[in-house]
Amino acid sequence: GNSVTQMEGPVTLSEEAFLTINCTYTATGYPSLFWYVQYPGEGLQLLLKATKADDKGSNKGFEATYRKETTSFHLEKGSVQVSDSAVYFCALTSINSGNTPLVFGKGTRLSVIA
Amino acid sequence: SAVISQKPSRDICQRGTSLTIQCQVDSQVTMMFWYRQQPGQSLTLIATANQGSEATYESGFVIDKFPISRPNLTFSTLTVSNMSPEDSSIYLCSVGTGVLGGYTFGSGTRLTVV
Repeated sequence: GNSVTQMEGPVTLSEEAFLTINCTYTATGYPSLFWYVQYPGEGLQLLLKATKADDKGSNKGFEATYRKETTSFHLEKGSVQVSDSAVYFCALTSINSGNTPLVFGKGTRLSVIA
Repeated sequence: SAVISQKPSRDICQRGTSLTIQCQVDSQVTMMFWYRQQPGQSLTLIATANQGSEATYESGFVIDKFPISRPNLTFSTLTVSNMSPEDSSIYLCSVGTGVLGGYTFGSGTRLTVV
C-alpha cells in the first residue's frame, strides 16, 4: 500500500538557518505529493504540492521537488524564521482526483529559536 | 479552493456519551474524508463518505463507533459514540479540490473525554 516516511523530529534550528525535512514515499503509479503545515493550536494548511515527476512546489520560501528516481519530496527553506515553528506533514495521494484520501507521514515538529 | 466550516471546535464530554461533529463545505464535493489526530500524532483516516451510500471505513474503525451521515454534496457528520478517554483526539474533515488540486481541511474538533 501507499506510505510516507518522514524524518523524525523534533528539529530545532536557529533563526536564518537552512532547513531540510526529508520525506520518502512508497506508492503505485504516479502519486501527487504534498506538504502540509500545522501551526500551534491551528488546523492543517496546504504548504505546497507537486503532481508529477520533477515538479517543484514552492510557497512562503519553502520548496520541494518531486524526485521519482529516489521516491522523495524533501522540504527545504533557505532561512527559517521563528514564525515557521510548526509541525510539517508530508502526504500523498495515488490518484489526485479529489476523491481519494491523503496518506500522511508522522509529521516533523520544527522549533526555530531567535 | 473549497472552504469548510467544522463545528464544534472543541468539546469536553463525559464517558459513555456521544458527540456529533458537523462539516459544511461551500461547494459540492463527491467525497468527504474524516480523520483522527491523536495527541502528538499524525492523521489517521477514519472513513470516506460518499453522498448516497454508506461510508467506507478503514481498518480499526467501525460504523457502530463512528457513524457517518452524508445527506447531500455539501454536508457530513461524524458521531463518536459511547466515548471513552481513548477517544480524546482532534477530528478533522477534508475534501479534495478537484483533479490535481489540493485538499482542504476543516479547522478540527478537539475532543476531550473525561
